[in-house]
Amino acid sequence: EIVMTQSPATLSVSPGERATLSCRASQSVSVNLAWHQQKPGQAPRLLIYGASTRATGIPARFSGSGSGTEFTLTISSLQSEDFAVYYCQQYNNWPPITFGQGTRLEIK
Amino acid sequence: EVQLVESGGGLVKPGGSLRLSCAASGFTFSTYSMNWVRQAPGKGLEWVSAISSSSGYIWYADSVKGRFTISRDNAKNSLYLQMNSLRAEDTAVYYCARVYCSGGDCYSTFDLWGQGTLLTVSS
Repeated sequence: EIVMTQSPATLSVSPGERATLSCRASQSVSVNLAWHQQKPGQAPRLLIYGASTRATGIPARFSGSGSGTEFTLTISSLQSEDFAVYYCQQYNNWPPITFGQGTRLEIK
Repeated sequence: EVQLVESGGGLVKPGGSLRLSCAASGFTFSTYSMNWVRQAPGKGLEWVSAISSSSGYIWYADSVKGRFTISRDNAKNSLYLQMNSLRAEDTAVYYCARVYCSGGDCYSTFDLWGQGTLLTVSS
């Protein structure tokens, strides 16, 4: 099973600033990596797939990078609606599909 | 409207059974692989099971293998999860989720999620 580890667990950033979230895989997942956003009481929403491709309707301020075992989600200028929990998910080697434990992005 | 709507959650005693349903609408359900993903209260996301579009391929997480059964009825645009021998650690919100497809390619991530249905296993 591929273990996904996200850091930090909680990130405090001011609106308008840049946020950088990290995700590490226990073995290579190539670029088969997705990022999901989840707000309280809501289902997750797909942001990024293929490590760097934005899903339909996702604003350009969200960008993903990385390959192999190291990945980054960057939000270039935080909006109020971006404060949420973010999960990375690998789909290179499954079953099982595995998720990171999440990074909570909170307002500073 | 493109959506997934889960139902069937509730309170069950340990060792009991329950069947979750997921009704799909607004898209061609029969062409998509589907999944169940769960989230224990205050915890992260855990993939549970997947089924291919024609039910020819089925996969399970080790934590539910032998106890849960995924199925679908393409004529009814519906996905199911039969859960037996339930344990306290199965307590979670259960989401059905559609595999993401774009430009003829499909990726084992999820672009459409239901609102979830809560299963509580407790005596």
